[in-house]
Amino acid sequence: GAVVSQHPSWVICKSGTSVKIECRSLDFQATTMFWYRQFPKQSLMLMATSNEGSKATYEQGVEKDKFLINHASLTLSTLTVTSAHPEDSSFYICSASLGTGGNEQFFGPGTRLTVL
Amino acid sequence: AQSVTQPDIHITVSEGASLELRCNYSYGATPYLFWYVQSPGQGLQLLLKYFSGDTLVQGIKGFEAEFKRSQSSFNLRKPSVHWSDAAEYFCAVGALDDYKLSFGAGTTVTVRA
Repeated sequence: GAVVSQHPSWVICKSGTSVKIECRSLDFQATTMFWYRQFPKQSLMLMATSNEGSKATYEQGVEKDKFLINHASLTLSTLTVTSAHPEDSSFYICSASLGTGGNEQFFGPGTRLTVL
Repeated sequence: AQSVTQPDIHITVSEGASLELRCNYSYGATPYLFWYVQSPGQGLQLLLKYFSGDTLVQGIKGFEAEFKRSQSSFNLRKPSVHWSDAAEYFCAVGALDDYKLSFGAGTTVTVRA
């Protein structure tokens, strides 16, 4: 149980275009979902926290107009990278929490974004 | 706010040898502690977690970790590593009143034959 999927697993796009990444909890309802960014050989950097039906909470330094997050249902959150630039190239990982005590997060397999 | 330090950036160990990865946390109350493993290009897989109770926690793949409050540590151990244990390992800490996790910088484990 507690499986999280991401789609696509990798994407290449041209500079200036927008890219949408989906994060789904397959066998549970996630009250909270998280979006992380990971640079090569580095740790995970939390970008934002999203709760179903409400606006996402962005971490300091993360542009909310650049990284649009929509948590439409208890099983789906999307991250849209708008007007992507080469510096947005990264590994994006989502996670989902049951919302019960213990803070355990279940992670998706990640999405590799390359902006040309 | 809570924080995590993983002092070792890279550890190389021979197959069959024991492994210990260090993790120190900073948090004023009892933390929730986790160890995750990440293979290249993959997401994170939970190895084990500590919420309360027995301070020695058993996880998957033969890993265990011990919570030591006096040392603010949660070190991960495995008695005998396998080549498939080569990966990136992350320690994370959570707080009772916050669903966020704070991750350490990670330790890369290389296993030599």
